[in-house]
Amino acid sequence: DAGITQSPRHKVTETGTPVTLRCHQTENHRYMYWYRQDPGHGLRLIHYSYGVKDTDKGEVSDGYSVSRSKTEDFLLTLESATSSQTSVYFCATYNDRAPTDTQYFGPGTRLTVL
Amino acid sequence: QKEVEQNSGPLSVPEGAIASLNCTYSDRGSQSFFWYRQYSGKSPELIMSIYSNGDKEDGRFTAQLNKASQYVSLLIRDSQPSDSATYLCAVRGGGTNAGKSTFGDGTTLTVKP
Repeated sequence: DAGITQSPRHKVTETGTPVTLRCHQTENHRYMYWYRQDPGHGLRLIHYSYGVKDTDKGEVSDGYSVSRSKTEDFLLTLESATSSQTSVYFCATYNDRAPTDTQYFGPGTRLTVL
Repeated sequence: QKEVEQNSGPLSVPEGAIASLNCTYSDRGSQSFFWYRQYSGKSPELIMSIYSNGDKEDGRFTAQLNKASQYVSLLIRDSQPSDSATYLCAVRGGGTNAGKSTFGDGTTLTVKP
C-alpha cells in the first residue's frame, strides 16, 4: 500500500456528461498511471505521468485527458462520457528511484455510464 | 498479436497440486517481468518480480524467465483455496519505455478443496 486513494469510489453518470476521477498519493512517487479494467481484459493503460505536468498517452487514450499539477494528484477526465467508458478505473504509482521495483495500485473507481 | 499473452483460463486445480501459469511477450527489449494477483473486486498486488533468466523462488511461488523464448511463467506449489484469484502477467520495457508496464488479460485460477 503506497497511500493511494481514489475518489469517487463509485459513480453513475449519464452519456454526454463530463466526469473527473481523482488519484491522490502520499509517497511522492514520480510515476502515476491510469488504467481501465473490463471483464476478460487485463489492465489497459489510458495515460501516465512521469512528473508534474509531464504526461503521455497509453494504449486506450481516446476520449480521456489527464492533468498533474502536483506530485501527489493525478486527474483523469472524461470530457463527454460514453457507455463504452463504463469500467473499473485503477490508479497506480511507481517509484523509479526505489530498490523495490513495485507498482502500487489504488482501490479502484467503478464508473457506470448510462 | 497482443504484446503480452497469457494462457487462457480458467484454470482449476485441486488443493495441494501445482498450478502453472504462462505468459509470452513480444517486445525483446523488455527488462522487467511481474506477476500480480487480483482477488475479485480488489486491486492487483505484486507477488513476484523477475529480471534475469532462470528461476526465482519465494515460498510456494516460483517465477521462471526465458528471454530467448520470450516466456515467463509462475508456478504455485501446494495450491491453497486462498490462491484462487486472477493472475496478471506484466512486462516493463527498457530505455524510454522503462516507466510503462503492459499487462496480459489474466488467468483465473480456482483451487478446489
